[in-house]
Amino acid sequence: DAGITQSPRHKVTETGTPVTLRCHQTENHRYMYWYRQDPGHGLRLIHYSYGVKDTDKGEVSDGYSVSRSKTEDFLLTLESATSSQTSVYFCAISFSGGRTDTQYFGPGTRLTVL
Amino acid sequence: QQQVKQSPQSLIVQKGGISIINCAYENTAFDYFPWYQQFPGKGPALLIAIRPDVSEKKEGRFTISFNKSAKQFSLHIMDSQPGDSATYFCAASMRSNTGKLIFGQGTTLQVKP
Repeated sequence: DAGITQSPRHKVTETGTPVTLRCHQTENHRYMYWYRQDPGHGLRLIHYSYGVKDTDKGEVSDGYSVSRSKTEDFLLTLESATSSQTSVYFCAISFSGGRTDTQYFGPGTRLTVL
Repeated sequence: QQQVKQSPQSLIVQKGGISIINCAYENTAFDYFPWYQQFPGKGPALLIAIRPDVSEKKEGRFTISFNKSAKQFSLHIMDSQPGDSATYFCAASMRSNTGKLIFGQGTTLQVKP
């Protein structure tokens, strides 16, 4: 998985609780992305980062926030989890963010919100 | 609004057969089209990609066919093997999009021995 780890790998939580997912990379890639994967929707971009403290929204960013205080770590926070946020979350990295850059994906985090 | 539409949702092919997965897009600003392969419990991984200045790209048993005028592209897997059983996603990105990918809905391929 190209030097990418995600934690936790599985989490069950209750509606209304805050949740933070962590993505850690050892590749020193500049760009990092958070996607969610749902049946019938493929993968959809939540947020991405193009450097330390530099982040921007993706197509499904409502209810999510991110932070990147170090090159190697990108955190995704659900401020108040809802059942609609039950999903598999993938982190991805790319070297320079160019459109032809390969994105390398982590192993995913399965989140269930009861 | 799904900017990249993928079909079929699922596909069953006999070993040795040809698997074909189709994608269509609307935004003519898309100019890079990768395919990702995902095995159960794993993250997606880049399989093959094409730019719209070519009509076909082949890598081993995998071929992308691209029809710019129809705004369609497809993945062909020749001599399909049980080890090809996975979920396949087409995607698209554009020059101004800082690498952001728009994915299709995914196709689950099962290759029967």
